[in-house]
Amino acid sequence: AQKITQTQPGMFVQEKEAVTLDCTYDTSDPSYGLFWYKQPSSGEMIFLIYQGSYDQQNATEGRYSLNFQKARKSANLVISASQLGDSAMYFCAMRGVRGAGSYQLTFGKGTKLSVIP
Amino acid sequence: DSGVTQTPKHLITATGQRVTLRCSPRSGDLSVYWYQQSLDQGLQFLIQYYNGEERAKGNILERFSAQQFPDLHSELNLSSLELGDSALYFCASSVGAGRLGNEQYFGPGTRLTVT
Repeated sequence: AQKITQTQPGMFVQEKEAVTLDCTYDTSDPSYGLFWYKQPSSGEMIFLIYQGSYDQQNATEGRYSLNFQKARKSANLVISASQLGDSAMYFCAMRGVRGAGSYQLTFGKGTKLSVIP
Repeated sequence: DSGVTQTPKHLITATGQRVTLRCSPRSGDLSVYWYQQSLDQGLQFLIQYYNGEERAKGNILERFSAQQFPDLHSELNLSSLELGDSALYFCASSVGAGRLGNEQYFGPGTRLTVT
């Protein structure tokens, strides 16, 4: 079974500062993918970034980067130069390649990020 | 805009009723996934279809069913509704089925309220 743990229910960050949202995972799959999604108050789920377990480099997408530490089973999201529009719920998710876990995403409980002006 | 459309956006109905949620995937995507987001359960996978065939099942109740049509749109049918079925229902789509890197793009969701 796959499990995602997000230990920070809520975080505050000053505008223009960087912030790290924590995510640890557990899986027995040899290959897997890690994803981050953003859910603003309007409700939609927005895909942010993807990291494959065998990718040599950490993924980056604009102001988002994924700090992937395979040995520690962590996949933290780093948002640089925070903006007011970054205020939202952030979900870490994973997918494996074997069995039932190879199709659906398993989500963590989320972290609510609030950006302070 | 992810390119995934869901209708209706909001739905209010009474206990015991039946509703149908509709999803159109992004152009070119063959896989459709249904997820339920509730306060107590979080985001849970319900079911996946790939090119018209059921591919995987998650925590989907027997009162719920889904299908994917030849034009690749999908419908989620919820029957004998209970108060606990009130949730945000998401549809997501991806190009393939099981390959890693096939990101799932989510629709705006249908908020179901059962009274």
